[in-house]
Amino acid sequence: DSGVTQTPKHLITATGQRVTLRCSPRSGDLSVYWYQQSLDQGLQFLIQYYNGEERAKGNILERFSAQQFPDLHSELNLSSLELGDSALYFCASSVETGMNTEAFFGQGTRLTVV
Amino acid sequence: LAKTTQPISMDSYEGQEVNITCSHNNIATNDYITWYQQFPSQGPRFIIQGYKTKVTNEVASLFIPADRKSSTLSLPRVSLSDTAVYYCLVGDGGSQGNLIFGKGTKLSVKP
Repeated sequence: DSGVTQTPKHLITATGQRVTLRCSPRSGDLSVYWYQQSLDQGLQFLIQYYNGEERAKGNILERFSAQQFPDLHSELNLSSLELGDSALYFCASSVETGMNTEAFFGQGTRLTVV
Repeated sequence: LAKTTQPISMDSYEGQEVNITCSHNNIATNDYITWYQQFPSQGPRFIIQGYKTKVTNEVASLFIPADRKSSTLSLPRVSLSDTAVYYCLVGDGGSQGNLIFGKGTKLSVKP
């Protein structure tokens, strides 16, 4: 158990809908990362927050948005969903920001868009 | 962030030592080298990190030559449960700590 909690574990929704994925980081971790992993694809970095502020942005679509709340949990909002958005979405957290900090990943949310 | 190049896949047998090499020609002075392991449908897990020379922990060793343009993850006496994708990441300890994963190396351990 990494200490990072993601909910829900599975989500099935229809095209055009909007969903919210939730991530609770490890206790004390200030940095949260979001990743998308499609079938047999690598991990695509979406966005990073540090202590409530956006720190880095990757290949995140305009239909997607995220935020980190004062209690440090984070939410990833996906709207106008398309079939191609079906993927595993991972959240990770670390104490600090920076490559020399170990990141801990959650078990992911499997999103299926039908 | 420095780009990394790893073999797409590797095969091994139980009990063998496996060495996965990562090339990072454009590594910067402040960059660290980090390896993660990912099992199917699970989040990646940190294995080891180093800056130079050799680092060893309970699961792996990391060898980094003096020029730091490559690194080798060494897994001693692999078992079937080591079948996974291994990612090499290179980046600095600065404020922009986004972790960028490449395609990784898919290691298959056979009995």
